[in-house]
Amino acid sequence: GAVVSQHPSRVICKSGTSVKIECRSLDFQATTMFWYRQFPKKSLMLMATSNEGSKATYEQGVEKDKFLINHASLTLSTLTVTSAHPEDSSFYICSASSPGTGEREQYFGPGTRLTVT
Amino acid sequence: GNSVTQMEGPVTLSEEAFLTINCTYTATGYPSLFWYVQYPGEGLQLLLKATKADDKGSNKGFEATYRKETTSFHLEKGSVQVSDSAVYFCALGRVASGSRLTFGEGTQLTVNP
Repeated sequence: GAVVSQHPSRVICKSGTSVKIECRSLDFQATTMFWYRQFPKKSLMLMATSNEGSKATYEQGVEKDKFLINHASLTLSTLTVTSAHPEDSSFYICSASSPGTGEREQYFGPGTRLTVT
Repeated sequence: GNSVTQMEGPVTLSEEAFLTINCTYTATGYPSLFWYVQYPGEGLQLLLKATKADDKGSNKGFEATYRKETTSFHLEKGSVQVSDSAVYFCALGRVASGSRLTFGEGTQLTVNP
């Protein structure tokens, strides 16, 4: 149980375009989802926390207008990178948690590799 | 605020060697502590966790004990395998903060045959 999927696993886009990444909890209802960014050989940087049905809470320094997060249902959150630039190239990882998962443990998706050319 | 400090990598060991990856933390109250593992090109998988002082988390031969007096949660394994090669992240979290996790920098482990 507690499986989180991400789609796509890899995406290449041109500079100036927007790209959407989906995060789904497959076998539980995720009241909270988290979006992380990971640079090569670096730790995970929390970008934002989203709760189903409400606006996402962004970490300091993360542009909310550039990284649009939607958590419209208990099983789906999306991250849209708008007007992408090469510096947005990174590995994006989502995670999900639910009060029903005991310690409110986070379950991580497999990640999405974004390359902006 | 909360913070996690891990020993710097990379760590390179021969198969069947003993592994220790140090992790210390700073936090208010009583956080839960976690070790996550990330295999190349993949997301994070929970390896083990401990929710209170003196708890020992264990999984797949890995162990870590929540030491409140030394604010540590060192990861150990008695005999590593090539398949253990991955990046290991120590993290702390608090249920009260909605499961928000604070990660260490990660330690790259390479095990050679």
